[in-house]
Amino acid sequence: EVQLLVSGGGLVPPGGSLRLSCAASGFTFTSHAMSWVRQAPGKGLEWVSSISGSGGRTLYADSVKGRFTISRDSSKNTVYLQMKSLRAEDTAVYYCAKMTGGMPYSECDYWGQGTLVTVSS
Amino acid sequence: DTQMTQSPSSLSASVGDRVTITCRASQGIGNYLAWYQQKRGEVPKLLIYAASTLQSGVPSRFSGSGSGTDFTLTISSLQPEDVATYYCQKYNSAPLTFGGGTNVEIK
Repeated sequence: EVQLLVSGGGLVPPGGSLRLSCAASGFTFTSHAMSWVRQAPGKGLEWVSSISGSGGRTLYADSVKGRFTISRDSSKNTVYLQMKSLRAEDTAVYYCAKMTGGMPYSECDYWGQGTLVTVSS
Repeated sequence: DTQMTQSPSSLSASVGDRVTITCRASQGIGNYLAWYQQKRGEVPKLLIYAASTLQSGVPSRFSGSGSGTDFTLTISSLQPEDVATYYCQKYNSAPLTFGGGTNVEIK
């Protein structure tokens, strides 16, 4: 059974940093790209970032480029999203999702439960 | 960047009705399109990928069609459990943009 356990959300002041983690199990971790998708309160889905199964290819939305870094650790079957210079508009529930292919150009077939990030003073 | 425009933004239909949601890409994306369903308080669920392939376990009343710039999600006979927001997403190239969503309610 595929499981994606997301952690690391919380309240952070503007300009602060936070690291989200997504611990994966139930599939061959290195064979699948992974994504982070966020949803601001009452709003739609926004793609944030994706990483290939090998970790060699990363993609970012323009809204987070230069501030967020996606990475993965195959020894821990975990994907991370390091977020810096956080802004109020980054406030959202952040979902981790497994992609069907090894490259980050495929659909997301499993989603974690999401973690709320609130950027506020 | 390619924009993804969904229409309508919301709809209300009766149980048993045929429901159609449209997603239009500002540039051609081949068939690199997925549809997701998100019920209130739940995580998104993959319904359709490659524009028209039904994800395993998804009821056959859901179908997808289209290629290039114009895509459609159809619910052949709307059921009460289909109340949700539906999103399209392109994944041919970055950014992997979602459409704005279509909120489906029962009349």
